[in-house]
Amino acid sequence: QVQLVQSGAEVKKPGSSVKVSCKASGGTFSSYAISWVRQAPGQGLEWMGRIIPIFDTTNHAQKFQGRVTITADESTSTAYMELSSLRSEDTAVYYCARESAGEMNYWGQGTLVTVSS
Amino acid sequence: SSELTQDPAVSVALGQTVRITCQGDSLRKYYANWYQQKPGQAPVLVIFGKNNRPSGIPDRFSGSSSGNTASLTITGAQAKDEADYYCNSRDSSGNHLLFGGGTKVTVL
Repeated sequence: QVQLVQSGAEVKKPGSSVKVSCKASGGTFSSYAISWVRQAPGQGLEWMGRIIPIFDTTNHAQKFQGRVTITADESTSTAYMELSSLRSEDTAVYYCARESAGEMNYWGQGTLVTVSS
Repeated sequence: SSELTQDPAVSVALGQTVRITCQGDSLRKYYANWYQQKPGQAPVLVIFGKNNRPSGIPDRFSGSSSGNTASLTITGAQAKDEADYYCNSRDSSGNHLLFGGGTKVTVL
């Protein structure tokens, strides 16, 4: 059974960065993409970007270009999403999900990132 | 186009059928996937591709597509189906993903 376990909640100051991890188990980590999706309080889902570990390729939504860095460590089956220059609007739950051809069939439990001075 | 449009809310009587739609130019080229999300929980994939259900998803959930519109139908809605539903697909370039704004389904 595939499981994605994310790191714990974070509280950050405006202008700082946050790095969220997503550790996969129970499947072939490198063969699938890991997408990152966020959800601001009371709002909908927003795709941020993805990494395909086997090819070490990434795609990002234009909105996050220059601010988001997605990496993966195949040796530990862990993906990371780092978001920089944080502002209050980045307060959200951040999810990782295993993705294939756009469909996300396994999700992490979510990580709440709060940006507050 | 880089948008997927959903109606914000829809209601359905217990045991009746409800259809949720998702519109976008990229749906002429790519199938939509559908997710159910209940409060405080991560989304769950309920329909993917042309009309496929992951293991464990009941067959009252079905998907269809025509032109630029994809639909999720719940036949015989149950109280447990009350949730937010999101569509997603690739954008027209195929390189990025999109989500619709979500539809809140209320079962009366």
